[in-house]
Amino acid sequence: QLQLQESGSGLVKPSQTLSLTCAVSGGSISSGGYSWSWIRQPPGKGLEWIGYIYHSGSTYYNPSLKSRVTISVDRSKNQFSLKLSSVTAADTAVYYCASSPPEYWYFDLWGRGTLVTVSS
Amino acid sequence: SYVLTQPPSVSVAPGQTARITCGGNNIGSKSVHWYQQKPGQAPVLVVYDDSDRPSGIPERFSGSNSGNTATLTISRVEAGDEADYYCQVWDSSSDLPFGGGTKLTVL
Repeated sequence: QLQLQESGSGLVKPSQTLSLTCAVSGGSISSGGYSWSWIRQPPGKGLEWIGYIYHSGSTYYNPSLKSRVTISVDRSKNQFSLKLSSVTAADTAVYYCASSPPEYWYFDLWGRGTLVTVSS
Repeated sequence: SYVLTQPPSVSVAPGQTARITCGGNNIGSKSVHWYQQKPGQAPVLVVYDDSDRPSGIPERFSGSNSGNTATLTISRVEAGDEADYYCQVWDSSSDLPFGGGTKLTVL
């Protein structure tokens, strides 16, 4: 059974780049046609989809974040990653990684989430 | 981008039926998915493709979608159902937006 686990820096300075990794266990990130997403939730607020990487390697990003976001896959390490550049305090949030089954666009598996704080 | 509108809060007494709406332009033409999130936890999928339930989700959770409104219905509400609920769709521009969320309070 697939499991997801986020990791990365919990504190990032303003204007720097936030970097997170989601480790996939219990299966191969390359098999099954899954898509892999990042979603965030500012403290006390709702969910915001950041973007996803399709099993083919194609990426799609939230238009409001597109200029600052990069999602990539490292198949050798069975993980995918998020980079968000030029961060501000507004990027402070719990960041979740999640997966979508083949040909479907809902999130059936989530990581536990990791809090990233943007502060000097 | 496609906008989904949810009421900020819904209150219901135990044993009654809760209905949480999700509004969007012609949302009936899209597949709507619903998530439950309890404090300090990751969201959990409770309904997908308008009305299907993942394994392990009680039959008390059901969904419908027509016109400009999708609805998550929770029958025989229990104290453990108190949570935030979010709707989500796939938009034709390949976006995956969420609604703003609804806090369900069990009185």
